[in-house]
Amino acid sequence: GAGVSQSPSNKVTEKGKDVELRCDPISGHTALYWYRQSLGQGLEFLIYFQGNSAPDKSGLPSDRFSAERTGGSVSTLTIQRTQQEDSAVYLCASSFAPVGYGYTFGSGTRLTVV
Amino acid sequence: GENVEQHPSTLSVQEGDSAVIKCTYSDSASNYFPWYKQELGKRPQLIIDIRSNVGEKKDQRIAVTLNKTAKHFSLHITETQPEDSAVYFCAASGGANAGGTSYGKLTFGQGTILTVHP
Repeated sequence: GAGVSQSPSNKVTEKGKDVELRCDPISGHTALYWYRQSLGQGLEFLIYFQGNSAPDKSGLPSDRFSAERTGGSVSTLTIQRTQQEDSAVYLCASSFAPVGYGYTFGSGTRLTVV
Repeated sequence: GENVEQHPSTLSVQEGDSAVIKCTYSDSASNYFPWYKQELGKRPQLIIDIRSNVGEKKDQRIAVTLNKTAKHFSLHITETQPEDSAVYFCAASGGANAGGTSYGKLTFGQGTILTVHP
């Protein structure tokens, strides 16, 4: 597509429920990234996929968080047993190659855990 | 891993003045340094980037400088306008020292809230 597409744009969930966030990167982009941005804060790295390589999961804050990328394209970020501190904007980005190219970000999913 | 420090956290200038935001990085192997602008409620957008084989790059009112020896880089905005008001993030890509799939991952600074007063 023309840009990075994320869905849903907003998600309100009850504490303890599981949520799935979806990211559809720009066609042809081999690298895909998930970041989290809490209100008024910076961009916290979560996970990075590059081609068929094993993903870099070093930023996932707990084992409640997981992500997969099917067929080298669409990615899903899953948060199990959501907590209030998970409330944030989850941003997906993609790029042509892992080095030397800027990311294109999606509009994000605003997650609110009540 | 890479660590990026950004200063100042907030910056207030009068329209027409210049604004400078500075970042330092820790990984000497980092070789790509983009800057992103994020307006309120919107996605971060790339405004300018620089690679380690270049010391300075300009694009109209925006310029970025890189000092590899000191491991710092700066964003310069001249003739600021109210529409420049936003949060600006610097970033550095994980260099070869990061190893494996961390190579190419961007580490972001904490952000600078720039306010340009009319």
